[in-house]
Amino acid sequence: EVQLVESGGDLVQPGGSLRLACAASGFSISSYWMTWVRQAPGKGLEWVASIKQDGSEIYYVDSVKGRFTISRSNTKNSLYLQMNSLRADDTAVYYCAKDSPVFGIVFVYGLDVWGQGTTVTVSS
Amino acid sequence: QSVLTQPPSVSVVPGQKVTISCSGSSSNIGDNYVSWYQQVPGTAPKLLIYDNNKRPSGIPDRFSGSKSGTSATMGITGLQTGDEADYYCGTWDSSLSAVVFGGGTKLIVL
Repeated sequence: EVQLVESGGDLVQPGGSLRLACAASGFSISSYWMTWVRQAPGKGLEWVASIKQDGSEIYYVDSVKGRFTISRSNTKNSLYLQMNSLRADDTAVYYCAKDSPVFGIVFVYGLDVWGQGTTVTVSS
Repeated sequence: QSVLTQPPSVSVVPGQKVTISCSGSSSNIGDNYVSWYQQVPGTAPKLLIYDNNKRPSGIPDRFSGSKSGTSATMGITGLQTGDEADYYCGTWDSSLSAVVFGGGTKLIVL
């Protein structure tokens, strides 16, 4: 069964750091772009970041540039999101998702597999 | 304010058809494929439509998608109470170098 399982969400103080992980099973992430999407309480979906199959190309939403780092380990079949300088408006459920199989083009064919999400709460 | 514009909510009666619009610009919808997602509150989003009008395996043909210029539309026929959910459109924005989503549309089946 193709599956994504996120972990690492927690309550953290403003200015703090957190590292999210997303473990894939049933497929090899090495063949796909991988993406993080978040959803603040009562709000819509917000794309956070995407990373190419080999990690050579990365994109971020402007609001997290310089604070968040997306990375991957194809050998561990896992995706990561390092979040630093966290702010209250980073509070959200964070989802990882399987993205494009096309080496040079992100978000082709949509996000067809999603994890269950992990909750990040930034509050003092 | 989302880059893609969707109506906040639509209401329909069971058995009827509904369309949900998604309006963008030449740098996003006009230049790239659109996908649509269904999210039942408290659960992860689910891909319904990709490449403007294709359905993943397991998605019934009651769901359809189309694109014209800088707008996209998703349709659902034979509405059921189980279709009550939030629906989002998404695409790549070539100018922003970012994935953009619509603000979401809450479908209410009366």
